[in-house]
Amino acid sequence: ELKVEQNPLFLSMQEGKNYTIYCNYSTTSDRLYWYRQDPGKSLESLFVLLSNGAVKQEGRLMASLDTKARLSTLHITAAVHDLSATYFCAVDPIQGAQKLVFGQGTRLTINP
Amino acid sequence: SAVISQKPSRDICQRGTSLTIQCQVDSQVTMMFWYRQQPGQSLTLIATANQGSEATYESGFVIDKFPISRPNLTFSTLTVSNMSPEDSSIYLCSVNLGVNQPQHFGDGTRLSIL
Repeated sequence: ELKVEQNPLFLSMQEGKNYTIYCNYSTTSDRLYWYRQDPGKSLESLFVLLSNGAVKQEGRLMASLDTKARLSTLHITAAVHDLSATYFCAVDPIQGAQKLVFGQGTRLTINP
Repeated sequence: SAVISQKPSRDICQRGTSLTIQCQVDSQVTMMFWYRQQPGQSLTLIATANQGSEATYESGFVIDKFPISRPNLTFSTLTVSNMSPEDSSIYLCSVNLGVNQPQHFGDGTRLSIL
């Protein structure tokens, strides 16, 4: 059974700082997704990572995938308050089936 | 992307009753998915709904409890049957628009059972 674990689960940081969220998964997969969820809202897609070594960047967020280590990272650069949200990674264990297995989520709070 | 509409957006129901949640997409899609998000928790896949075939349920979810319909390529329903307080969750539908695309999620249905 595929397990997806995020670390940390809670993160409180100051504006302007950098930090990284880690997503480890237990079985082979080369498809990993990052989503953002604001309180009371649905999920917004951030990144799709489809191969080993994939790196995607959007604004202050950068995601990467190491399929050999079964690890993805979401790096936040010079955090701003608007990035406060819960971030989920999700893995597609059966290519093409899209039966996503989600991590527990990382609740990120950015303080002025 | 896709515009996904879920109805109702929220409901409060009595124990033992059933509720049907609707999911409408603005384009034709092959696969639709239903997830559950329990309070403060992550998302868990309930089932995959393909048009023209029976829904495929994940471990821990059964058709008698969560019957699903998929009458066409833009619409699906999920029924939560014989509800108990443990069914209080957010239920979300999602669609996939292509092989290398992310899933897109509806706004969810926030369900509370008294």
